[in-house]
Parts: sequence; structure tokens; C-alpha cells
Amino acid sequence: GENVEQHPSTLSVQEGDSAVIKCTYSDSASNYFPWYKQELGKRPQLIIDIRSNVGEKKDQRIAVTLNKTAKHFSLHITETQPEDSAVYFCAAINSGGYQKVTFGTGTKLQVIP
Amino acid sequence: GAVVSQHPSWVICKSGTSVKIECRSLDFQATTMFWYRQFPKQSLMLMATSNEGSKATYEQGVEKDKFLINHASLTLSTLTVTSAHPEDSSFYICSAPRPGTSNNEQFFGPGTRLTVL
Repeated sequence: GENVEQHPSTLSVQEGDSAVIKCTYSDSASNYFPWYKQELGKRPQLIIDIRSNVGEKKDQRIAVTLNKTAKHFSLHITETQPEDSAVYFCAAINSGGYQKVTFGTGTKLQVIP
Repeated sequence: GAVVSQHPSWVICKSGTSVKIECRSLDFQATTMFWYRQFPKQSLMLMATSNEGSKATYEQGVEKDKFLINHASLTLSTLTVTSAHPEDSSFYICSAPRPGTSNNEQFFGPGTRLTVL
């Protein structure tokens, strides 16, 4: 089955700085890679996603890059703000199957004002 | 966007009792739903795939006789934790992919916090 590794597990940045979270996956059949933000006790919220036929996607301060050959993808948050503080999960999905989501281990991001 | 609800949002029960958690897709039909468990400070771990009209598919290490899943309609899947024990205390979340969309976005329920005393 799919295995998704995520680094770092914790990340502290000063407000205004950038944050980068990296993930690797094992199953070459995975072709959809969402990123979720989860606040304590809440459901995961999709913040950005990327498909395997795209190398990069950007939405305002958030961007995701994908290297399909190396099987890794990264989340980039620029101009971080205190409200960006949360736990972030990467995930990998094989959309050709049952679409089950394999999550990374999570990164706790703290943005220091 | 698609909406998935869960009920209850939290439940406290005594050890040895059974607890049922409902997951509903409110504005779309879901032939497949997923159940996850999340322990504190950990990631979401897939427990099982719930399939409408057929048996659920359980992930390795998840006891199917302990975590009973029923997907009797296109909008409702239930997870019953039987003979619950303190180690079953966790945050249980369901999700469903919305069919007919061009992407594979999963829609998550708000989660159910289970505490077993």
C-alpha cells in the first residue's frame, strides 16, 4: 500500500517568513496530492491540491510543487501569519481506485508574531 | 461545496458498552465513505472503506468484529464501536468523495470525539 512520509514534524517561523513542508510517497499509482490544514479538534480542511500531470500550483500565499519522478511534493507558505498556525497534513490518493486517502504524519506549524 | 455531517460530535461511554457514530452526506450521494481514527498529536489513520450495499473493506490491523460498519443507503454510513475500551478513545472522522466531479476532493465530517471511561 501507499506510504507517505512528511517532514518536519514541527516548524516554527517568524511572522512574515516562509514555511516549507516536504512529503514523499511510495506508490507510483498515486496521482492526486491534497494538503490539509487541521485546527485542534476540527476536521481537516483542504487548502491546496495538485495532480500528477502538473508540476506546480499556486494560490495566493500558498504553493505546492510536485516531482513525480522523485515521488515528492512540497507545500510552500509565504508571508506567514499567526492564523496559519495549525497542523498540516499532506496526502496521496490513487484516483483510479477507491480514492482512499493516505495521510502524511503531519507538521505542526507555529507562526510567531 | 458538499457537506458531510457526523453525529454525535462527542460521546462519553463506559467500558464494555457499544457506541454508534453516524456519517451523512447531506447534499450528494456517496457510494463510498471512509472512516478514520486520529489519536492525539497523530495523523488520521484509515480504518475502513464503507461501500453502499456491500461489506466494508477494513485496513490491516483493524478488527472488523469490533468496528462494525453499515452503509445501508447512499447518504448514511454508521460505525459502531462494540465493547468499547479506554484504548478506543479517539477522534473518529468520516469522509466521502463527491461523485461526478472532475477532481478527487474528499469531504470530511466534523468528527466524533469518543471517550471511554
